[in-house]
Amino acid sequence: AQSVSQHNHHVILSEAASLELGCNYSYGGTVNLFWYVQYPGQHLQLLLKYFSGDPLVKGIKGFEAEFIKSKFSFNLRKPSVQWSDTAEYFCAVSKPNTGNQFYFGTGTSLTVIP
Amino acid sequence: NAGVTQTPKFRVLKTGQSMTLLCAQDMNHEYMYWYRQDPGMGLRLIHYSVGEGTTAKGEVPDGYNVSRLKKQNFLLGLESAAPSQTSVYFCASSPYGSGANVLTFGAGSRLTVL
Repeated sequence: AQSVSQHNHHVILSEAASLELGCNYSYGGTVNLFWYVQYPGQHLQLLLKYFSGDPLVKGIKGFEAEFIKSKFSFNLRKPSVQWSDTAEYFCAVSKPNTGNQFYFGTGTSLTVIP
Repeated sequence: NAGVTQTPKFRVLKTGQSMTLLCAQDMNHEYMYWYRQDPGMGLRLIHYSVGEGTTAKGEVPDGYNVSRLKKQNFLLGLESAAPSQTSVYFCASSPYGSGANVLTFGAGSRLTVL
C-alpha cells in the first residue's frame, strides 16, 4: 500500500545537538512534500514545503529539508536544536490532481532537553 | 483573520449518541478536510470536499458523515458514536490549485466517547 513512513517515533536530544528526522514515501509520479509541526497544545503549522525546483528547501526556525527523488525521501534537518523545538513533527505528501488529498506519516515526537 | 475555526473544542458523548462538529474558514478556500489524530497513527483523512456541495471519502470514513452546504463550512457528523471514535479531530482547508497546496488547520476538537 502507498504510504508515508517516519521511522523515528520518538527522539530525545540535548540542546545544540543536530537533528535529522527521516521521511520516506511510496507514491510515484509528481508529489508535493511537506513538514508540519505541532507544538504542545497547539494545532499543526506548516514548517516547510517542496513543490519543485531546488531540492533543498528552507523553512521557519532554521529547519531545512532535502528532497531526494531517487530515494523517495524528504528528511528534515536542523543543525542545532533548542528547547522550544520540542514538538511533534509530521511529514506529508500530496498528489496534485487527486482532489488535493494529503497523506501524513505517523509523526515523530521530539523532546529537547535543556 | 480567524483562519479555520472548529466548534466545539471538547465534547464527551455516551455510546450511541449523535453529534456534529462544525468547521468554518474565512479564507475562501475551495478544499476542506476532516482528519482524526490518534497516538501512533498520525493524521488520517476521514472525508474531504473539493468545493461547495461536494464531499468525498478519505481513508477512514466509516461511522462519519459530512456536508458542505456553504463554501465556508464543513460539518462532520457522528450518527451513533462509538468508543473507537474517541480522538482529536482536526479540520483543515486549502486553496484551489496545486500551486497553493498548503493546509491550514483548525485548533482541533477533542471528542471522548464513553
